[in-house]
Amino acid sequence: KQEVTQIPAALSVPEGENLVLNCSFTDSAIYNLQWFRQDPGKGLTSLLLIQSSQREQTSGRLNASLDKSSGRSTLYIAASQPGDSATYLCALRNAGNNRKLIWGLGTSLAVNP
Amino acid sequence: NAGVTQTPKFQVLKTGQSMTLQCAQDMNHEYMSWYRQDPGMGLRLIHYSVGAGITDQGEVPNGYNVSRSTTEDFPLRLLSAAPSQTSVYFCASSLQGTGPQHFGDGTRLSIL
Repeated sequence: KQEVTQIPAALSVPEGENLVLNCSFTDSAIYNLQWFRQDPGKGLTSLLLIQSSQREQTSGRLNASLDKSSGRSTLYIAASQPGDSATYLCALRNAGNNRKLIWGLGTSLAVNP
Repeated sequence: NAGVTQTPKFQVLKTGQSMTLQCAQDMNHEYMSWYRQDPGMGLRLIHYSVGAGITDQGEVPNGYNVSRSTTEDFPLRLLSAAPSQTSVYFCASSLQGTGPQHFGDGTRLSIL
């Protein structure tokens, strides 16, 4: 059974730091993987989607990578800002017929001025 | 472009009451879904729809009904509210079932 793990559950960094958020999964047979951001009291915003055939995706200061062989995806945030403070969740779809999203519990990020 | 709109934003119910959570999207997305989010358990899929007239169960469907009479709307009905249904409910849509999902801001539901 596919499991998605995000460690650490919480992270606090000073403004300006480059940081990496981790997402691990147990079965490498995935269809795609998405990173989301959730602000307190708000819904989720899709940040990046990586297809199984891709190694990385970039959007502005965000870069998401995918390594299926090691069961890992990382979200790199360059030059972090207080506005980046939020919970970041990863979710993946398995390959095959059942393509429902399988969610991690998220990493709560605080960027301190 | 409003995206995904959920109403109400907050609701308090008594055990046994019924209610409907509304979800509407204006992006002409075929795929819509309902999730609940609980501390320590992450997001869990309640029901989903791949198009008007087609719905299916997710992993936690008991106590909830859905219908999809139009592409735009996907209401979630609580038949007889129970305290275990206290949660934050999110509606999401996507153009394709495997594409990026767009979420509403959620409905925070408390059942006493």
